[in-house]
Amino acid sequence: GAVVSQHPSRVICKSGTSVKIECRSLDFQATTMFWYRQFPKQSLMLMATSNEGSKATYEQGVEKDKFLINHASLTLSTLTVTSAHPEDSSFYICSAKPPGIETQYFGPGTRLLVL
Amino acid sequence: TQLLEQSPQFLSIQEGENLTVYCNSSSVFSSLQWYRQEPGEGPVLLVTVVTGGEVKKLKRLTFQFGDARKDSSLHITAAQPGDTGLYLCAGRNQAGTALIFGKGTTLSVSS
Repeated sequence: GAVVSQHPSRVICKSGTSVKIECRSLDFQATTMFWYRQFPKQSLMLMATSNEGSKATYEQGVEKDKFLINHASLTLSTLTVTSAHPEDSSFYICSAKPPGIETQYFGPGTRLLVL
Repeated sequence: TQLLEQSPQFLSIQEGENLTVYCNSSSVFSSLQWYRQEPGEGPVLLVTVVTGGEVKKLKRLTFQFGDARKDSSLHITAAQPGDTGLYLCAGRNQAGTALIFGKGTTLSVSS
């Protein structure tokens, strides 16, 4: 149980285009989902916290107009990287937390490469 | 600002050796977690330590939470090539709403 999936697993796009990444909790409802970014050989940096049905809370330094987060259902959150640039190339990881439980379950990550 | 410092950042050892990874902070955490991450995958939870002074064992891995709940360590006995990966410690932020991660320790075990 407690499986989180991400789609796509990797994506290559041209500079200036937008990319949407999906995060799904497959066998539980997630009232809260988190989006992280990880550069090569570095740790996970929290980008934002999304709660189902409300606006996401962004960490300091993360542009909310560039990284659009939608958490429209209890099993799905999406991260859209708008007008992507090469510096947005990174490994994006989501995690999901069931209500009443502190444990977060992590997805397998999405590798984004912007050319 | 809560920070988690991990050391060493990189560790390359031979199969059969023992090693210890440290996670330190000036802040008190209600709990700390240890994760292992392989390239191209998400992190996988190894253990959560909650009580100051707590010691947990997971096969050849021993986790300890400092008495003051500001630090933790991960000790691996007789490392194997399968232990290779990025080891991350993480604690909950002050608001209790999200995890913050240490910078990680990249472990390479060669046979």
